[in-house]
Amino acid sequence: NAGVTQTPKFQVLKTGQSMTLQCAQDMNHNSMYWYRQDPGMGLRLIYYSASEGTTDKGEVPNGYNVSRLNKREFSLRLESAAPSQTSVYFCASSSNGGQTEAFFGQGTRLTVV
Amino acid sequence: TQLLEQSPQFLSIQEGENLTVYCNSSSVFSSLQWYRQEPGEGPVLLVTVVTGGEVKKLKRLTFQFGDARKDSSLHITAAQPGDTGLYLCAGQGGSNYKLTFGKGTLLTVNP
Repeated sequence: NAGVTQTPKFQVLKTGQSMTLQCAQDMNHNSMYWYRQDPGMGLRLIYYSASEGTTDKGEVPNGYNVSRLNKREFSLRLESAAPSQTSVYFCASSSNGGQTEAFFGQGTRLTVV
Repeated sequence: TQLLEQSPQFLSIQEGENLTVYCNSSSVFSSLQWYRQEPGEGPVLLVTVVTGGEVKKLKRLTFQFGDARKDSSLHITAAQPGDTGLYLCAGQGGSNYKLTFGKGTLLTVNP
């Protein structure tokens, strides 16, 4: 019963390095989301995808790119990491329609030095 | 942009006390959800409210959706240390299924 799986769980990057955060869900959900969580800021939406092949910007998309590879997978890429991107990143998925519940992964704790 | 304001941001109480946390917005939402998040974990859904004026109860937790579907409250009766966590409200509106979160209320219940 995997649900939403994120990798890696922890990562340290140097400023300017790139990396991709992976996310996969096995619940046949159409919608997938990437959020970042910083102290006192709650969850801020970076990008979301309402269906395979579509992506839309959220509240804080600058410095990130995403790829909805197929219905199961939604990856988040940092092309040139900056210290301001130090955060905990959460991937989530939900079915489309009203009253949908979002299921979250366990998060990726990213530190950029 | 649909914004959700949660208050208070922090709340520290003694076991057995009652408390209410609020989630307010100037926007109308088709549904509003409450999540609880524990350290090192992702948020987990507690309840979804859909109809204006709706009240839902989950053991000692009572959730209410405002008549105009712009605000919600969470009331906890006789709080327990196990209720400690970050409580987040999230609103869903429009046809794009985007889920927007408030900043959360960090609740600490002391034994």
